[in-house]
Amino acid sequence: GAVVSQHPSRVICKSGTSVKIECRSLDFQATTMFWYRQFPKQSLMLMATSNEGSKATYEQGVEKDKFLINHASLTLSTLTVTSAHPEDSSFYICSAIPTQGFGGYTFGSGTRLTVV
Amino acid sequence: GENVEQHPSTLSVQEGDSAVIKCTYSDSASNYFPWYKQELGKGPQLIIDIRSNVGEKKDQRIAVTLNKTAKHFSLHITETQPEDSAVYFCAASKAAGNKLTFGGGTRVLVKP
Repeated sequence: GAVVSQHPSRVICKSGTSVKIECRSLDFQATTMFWYRQFPKQSLMLMATSNEGSKATYEQGVEKDKFLINHASLTLSTLTVTSAHPEDSSFYICSAIPTQGFGGYTFGSGTRLTVV
Repeated sequence: GENVEQHPSTLSVQEGDSAVIKCTYSDSASNYFPWYKQELGKGPQLIIDIRSNVGEKKDQRIAVTLNKTAKHFSLHITETQPEDSAVYFCAASKAAGNKLTFGGGTRVLVKP
């Protein structure tokens, strides 16, 4: 079945630094990937839609200069949290859909970001 | 935009009993409705999905029903087992491949 690998699974960083999270589709090509944020005991909130070779589409209220998304290949999208602050601490999850033949959205295992 | 409401927020059942989770959506253009199971510290896993041209779908102990007129869909889990304990999310999208809107989640506890 379709597999999406997300790294790192956990990261702790200092305030003011930047953190990069990778999302890879391992056995399929994904023109489109999605990035979500999830606070404890809450639902998944879509942050942005990442499209290979073009700019990401951000949801209302999400700062594009703070959450940089790059989708440089058909199997890799990255989310960089720039100048991280404690309020950016959250669980970040990516998902991907295949370029050909929709079989559902496959989610990564998530990244727990803690900013200290 | 789309709004998905999910009820109940928590559900406790005895092992072997059935569990039902209900969702309503606001956008009549939505036509793809997946259900996900999320365990602590992990990403969501698809357990079943349904498209708007189908009223019901079943996979072993799990079934989903869709009422397009009323704009609601439900997840049914029969013969619940302790390993069914998790958070379940419903979602909706206007087309397979478009962005998903999630419900608020249901925390299910199956007591042995």
